[in-house]
Amino acid sequence: EPEVTQTPSHQVTQMGQEVILRCVPISNHLYFYWYRQILGQKVEFLVSFYNNEISEKSEIFDDQFSVERPDGSNFTLKIRSTKLEDSAMYFCASAKWSRELNYGYTFGSGTRLTVV
Amino acid sequence: EDKVVQSPLSLVVHEGDTVTLNCSYEVTNFRSLLWYKQEKKAPTFLFMLTSSGIEKKSGRLSSILDKKELFSILNITATQTGDSAVYLCAVRRGGSEKLVFGKGTKLTVNP
Repeated sequence: EPEVTQTPSHQVTQMGQEVILRCVPISNHLYFYWYRQILGQKVEFLVSFYNNEISEKSEIFDDQFSVERPDGSNFTLKIRSTKLEDSAMYFCASAKWSRELNYGYTFGSGTRLTVV
Repeated sequence: EDKVVQSPLSLVVHEGDTVTLNCSYEVTNFRSLLWYKQEKKAPTFLFMLTSSGIEKKSGRLSSILDKKELFSILNITATQTGDSAVYLCAVRRGGSEKLVFGKGTKLTVNP
């Protein structure tokens, strides 16, 4: 079964550093998403991306965050200057087309980001 | 603001028991409600519900939606230790792609 692949599985970074989280969505999917889950809290939506642009973003997704699809396969989330409160599990997800949104996204296994 | 509340937050049962997990929601322009199972990491999709009263079933798992009372239940019959996980409920509103999740119900099935 096709998978969404995320790398690295765990990243430790110093406060103030930039990090890039990488995702390879399912190859024929067109919609891409980032979510995060702070330990013990809910899964929260960050951003959705379609047709090479952001289609929706939450209030969490401020200027320190950016997303990019640099080539035909990768989808990245950049956090420019990490803060302690950015420590969380970051999930990438993808979906094929708008109808498939009705059947749920496919999530990746996540990147655990620890900011020290 | 869209809201999803799941109950109970945690549940411990013995193998063979039947469990019912609850999800209530408040969302403007409701489109769909989804259930996910989260074991170690990635949430895996279970069901998507859009219409009231129609039961979705997959093996020992089933789910139903009540759009009048704004809730859904997830039933698991004859539980097995492999059912131990966090079960997440999420809602999606029309015109939006984001899912709003509840805190989840942590189910532990003991042998």
